[in-house]
Amino acid sequence: QKEVEQNSGPLSVPEGAIASLNCTYSDRVSQSFFWYRQYSGKSPELIMSIYSNGDKEDGRFTAQLNKASQYVSLLIRDSQPSDSATYLCAVKRETSGSRLTFGEGTQLTVNP
Amino acid sequence: NAGVMQNPRHLVRRRGQEARLRCSPMKGHSHVYWYRQLPEEGLKFMVYLQKENIIDESGMPKERFSAEFPKEGPSILRIQQVVRGDSAAYFCASSGTSTNEKLFFGSGTQLSVL
Repeated sequence: QKEVEQNSGPLSVPEGAIASLNCTYSDRVSQSFFWYRQYSGKSPELIMSIYSNGDKEDGRFTAQLNKASQYVSLLIRDSQPSDSATYLCAVKRETSGSRLTFGEGTQLTVNP
Repeated sequence: NAGVMQNPRHLVRRRGQEARLRCSPMKGHSHVYWYRQLPEEGLKFMVYLQKENIIDESGMPKERFSAEFPKEGPSILRIQQVVRGDSAAYFCASSGTSTNEKLFFGSGTQLSVL
């Protein structure tokens, strides 16, 4: 079982729709959770972090965490073509410094 | 993340040559992480360093790969006797002194082995 698994995609949504990206993790000692966005040929860019159960909203982005189910998701409201990218889920243990374990990523395409 | 500087941006090597990848962390950051990304795959952890110390090298291949982060100067990821399978994007990330801080990535070095 992979440490971090994401819905494989690719995911395609129309402009203005809600894009839902999902991630599960296997290690219960994981403490911190991150979503990175990576445009083709570019470096990963941090867009959301979440540390406790529940929802965290930042603009059009909402991260949701359920530690009991070992599940974290990212919702993008009012999706724009500029949101088209690969989204990487990452988890971190308290004991690993800032080392992150990444999922394989989900490629999102927002169609105008 | 523009503060993490990597060079070169692109590096071409022939099989058997050595590749040296450099990373200068963001100002004030003392923790450096190297990741490798193969085409269409996620980021794979390689090594975590602080100044003059390797903290975690569990993701490094046993042979040909080494990393350092000297007291002065950038962190170096060295790949000896490169093979075609080493072709990938190598990303460096840095964080501050707190172990709970977020990672910020550099622009990466795209290594191509001919």
